[in-house]
Amino acid sequence: QKEVEQDPGPLSVPEGAIVSLNCTYSNSAFQYFMWYRQYSRKGPELLMYTYSSGNKEDGRFTAQVDKSSKYISLFIRDSQPSDSATYLCAQLDFGNEKLTFGTGTRLTIIP
Amino acid sequence: DAGVIQSPRHEVTEMGQEVTLRCKPISGHDYLFWYRQTMMRGLELLIYFNNNVPIDDSGMPEDRFSAKMPNASFSTLKIQPSEPRDSAVYFCASSWTGVETQYFGPGTRLLVL
Repeated sequence: QKEVEQDPGPLSVPEGAIVSLNCTYSNSAFQYFMWYRQYSRKGPELLMYTYSSGNKEDGRFTAQVDKSSKYISLFIRDSQPSDSATYLCAQLDFGNEKLTFGTGTRLTIIP
Repeated sequence: DAGVIQSPRHEVTEMGQEVTLRCKPISGHDYLFWYRQTMMRGLELLIYFNNNVPIDDSGMPEDRFSAKMPNASFSTLKIQPSEPRDSAVYFCASSWTGVETQYFGPGTRLLVL
């Protein structure tokens, strides 16, 4: 079992819809989580990070962590075609400078 | 700043050949990370440097892989000899403070035939 599991999709939704992207993790020792966005043929770019449980909001994006179920989520409101990309979740081991990534979910927003 | 620069952007080679990937980090960044991305395994850390010193190479798959950082503005990842299973996108990333603030380069797409 991978330490961070992510549904690869692909996921297609109409413009304006709310998107929910999800990951599960197995190692409870590390409580920093990050979301990256990766456009086609580009490097990943940091979108958001969260610590432990709860929500963090940044514009149309909300990151959520549920420690009890070891579940992390990214919600995108009012989705736009420019949100079409692959989204990677990651768990951070601060002390060892190591990110464990999910395999990514490919998202397409249909105009 | 131009961001992290990687070269070549694409590389096609035959099995058994030596492959050298290059990275120029963002000026002033003390950390440099090399990653490999495949469909099956996702994005995996291979090695990282701090102040030009290799700190953790536990992700390097085998002895065929080696990485160097001779100075603060240049790093190489070498595969010798290359094998078809090395086909992947290789990313370099750099950071001031650590992995949580890293900036990725555009990647090198490697295909080993």
